[in-house]
Amino acid sequence: DTEVTQTPKHLVMGMTNKKSLKCEQHMGHRAMYWYKQKAKKPPELMFVYSYEKLSINESVPSRFSPECPNSSLLNLHLHALQPEDSALYLCASSQDGAGPLSGANVLTFGAGSRLTVL
Amino acid sequence: QKEVEQNSGPLSVPEGAIASLNCTYSDRGSQSFFWYRQYSGKSPELIMSIYSNGDKEDGRFTAQLNKASQYVSLLIRDSQPSDSATYLCAPGGSQGNLIFGKGTKLSVKP
Repeated sequence: DTEVTQTPKHLVMGMTNKKSLKCEQHMGHRAMYWYKQKAKKPPELMFVYSYEKLSINESVPSRFSPECPNSSLLNLHLHALQPEDSALYLCASSQDGAGPLSGANVLTFGAGSRLTVL
Repeated sequence: QKEVEQNSGPLSVPEGAIASLNCTYSDRGSQSFFWYRQYSGKSPELIMSIYSNGDKEDGRFTAQLNKASQYVSLLIRDSQPSDSATYLCAPGGSQGNLIFGKGTKLSVKP
């Protein structure tokens, strides 16, 4: 069983809706991530949180708004999305650490939330 | 930004053969590499990491890193149908910000 839990598993929303994706981990990890994955493509990094602070935003449109209320939770708020935003959204977590040799690169992924925008 | 190139495949090998997956990278400063496996409909999972030049073995998996030639590879010995998946290569990020290659789809035929 995955130790990173994402809800909902599936979400269908209209372009005018506001919805949120949720992610929870209880591994004591202090870094959390959002990735977006389209069919037959690799996961694309969206956001990185380290110690509940946003450390990386990969030029993601403002219709995606991340939030990290505490060290165990990560949300992705969705508003005014476009059909092309339909994808699998993956949450991941890792140990804290800096540098390419750190445990920060050992990511544990959740099962994902599949989003369809109509 | 660190980039890696992978042959998207599909790479098809018979059961019991050695599967060789390759990844080339452009940033000479890359110090570590990570191989993730993603089964169809599932999320990625880490299978190997390598930090030093040379080989690193873990069971049927061997990761190889050649910094002079800027390539990293993953060998899977005695390939099994259960190894059929997409294999993603990524250089280590400064904050765990992994940027994955396109991935190589491996198919192991019984």
